Amino acid sequence: DADVTQTPRNRITKTGKRIMLECSQTKGHDRMYWYRQDPGLGLRLIYYSFDVKDINKGEISDGYSVSRQAQAKFSLSLESAIPNQTALYFCATSDRRRPGELFFGEGSRLTVL
Amino acid sequence: GEDVEQSLFLSVREGDSSVINCTYTDSSSTYLYWYKQEPGAGLQLLTYIFSNMDMKQDQRLTVLLNKKDKHLSLRIADTQTGDSAIYFCAERDDLSNFGNEKLTFGTGTRLTIIP
Repeated sequence: DADVTQTPRNRITKTGKRIMLECSQTKGHDRMYWYRQDPGLGLRLIYYSFDVKDINKGEISDGYSVSRQAQAKFSLSLESAIPNQTALYFCATSDRRRPGELFFGEGSRLTVL
Repeated sequence: GEDVEQSLFLSVREGDSSVINCTYTDSSSTYLYWYKQEPGAGLQLLTYIFSNMDMKQDQRLTVLLNKKDKHLSLRIADTQTGDSAIYFCAERDDLSNFGNEKLTFGTGTRLTIIP
């Protein structure tokens, strides 16, 4: 089983719908991240959390929200999806003792029509 | 803020060496990383270099760091078809963000192997 699991892996939705992407990890890491990947733009950080009670905005947090329900779970919500949120979304984790060594899930491809 | 730049594409013949380049702007970067993304998968850490080093070798991989020019490169010797992937460099700034370390990723370089 994967150490970092994302669900769903693929989702097609319509403009204005609420979407939740979920991430769970079995690595026991305290830090969790949500990134967005767009061709030619690389990875951009949406939100990150360094422990259960900690939530921080990344560089592109507008239009997104997150919830850290437990150490192992970090979910990303799009309250009202729009087409330019069509992208590949990645969850990642790291241990605070090795903060640059991220472990990524396999990605959730979201298409907003 | 930090900026990390890479060329988007690189094509190399099988068996040749691949050199993937990266430039960054943050002079207080402490660690620099190379991640690999295979098709349909998430990113995986390949290697990293501490900012007080100028070279690191790990089997077929050689990382070169020129701090003066803020230039990082990844050389893959004897490139194989399994090396086809997107390669991301990333920098970590600890000095101004201690306890709040995050990575800034480049745009990624898609490496294509020509048979």
